[in-house]
Amino acid sequence: GEDVEQSLFLSVREGDSSVINCTYTDSSSTYLYWYKQEPGAGLQLLTYIFSNMDMKQDQRLTVLLNKKDKHLSLRIADTQTGDSAIYFCAESSNAGGTSYGKLTFGQGTILTVHP
Amino acid sequence: NAGVMQNPRHLVRRRGQEARLRCSPMKGHSHVYWYRQLPEEGLKFMVYLQKENIIDESGMPKERFSAEFPKEGPSILRIQQVVRGDSAAYFCASSPASSGNTIYFGEGSWLTVV
Repeated sequence: GEDVEQSLFLSVREGDSSVINCTYTDSSSTYLYWYKQEPGAGLQLLTYIFSNMDMKQDQRLTVLLNKKDKHLSLRIADTQTGDSAIYFCAESSNAGGTSYGKLTFGQGTILTVHP
Repeated sequence: NAGVMQNPRHLVRRRGQEARLRCSPMKGHSHVYWYRQLPEEGLKFMVYLQKENIIDESGMPKERFSAEFPKEGPSILRIQQVVRGDSAAYFCASSPASSGNTIYFGEGSWLTVV
């Protein structure tokens, strides 16, 4: 089955860049997502990338996709204390005709930003 | 344009009681998904529904759990005879179509079984 792996913790200083990494196993992945979850809150869709792209930039966020190695990363430039949260990587596939809305999530990376 | 609405946000149930969680998708969205997040874990897919149809329930526990999305009204996730292990956050998500690339999540319903 599909599997998504993330490192559990990342700690950075305010103003530095953060890079959160994710690996996945499903070669039929179509879309890959990054979600942000603050304590006691829901998931906020940050960005997504289609599997035929290798990079997507959206303001402070840069997503890099290495499809050959099945590696996805999220770079947050000029990280702020408000960026402290759990970041989830997720992938969807159309394997076997399943819906794109059926996502497989990683276990989340806890980002801590120090002043 | 309201997002995905879930209620209640927090629910406490005693062991053996029933829990009903409701989800109204975003306006214009006809596809609903339920996910469960156990403490300190990622989200796990439970079920995918369209109006009056269960499309994929491969992530649903075999017993005590059911879901529906009627023609009118919100989607309901029902847990009968709750046990302590059902304590989790239950998230609903919606998308405009099965081929959509934007899946939006609600704020979640936190179930605590005492």
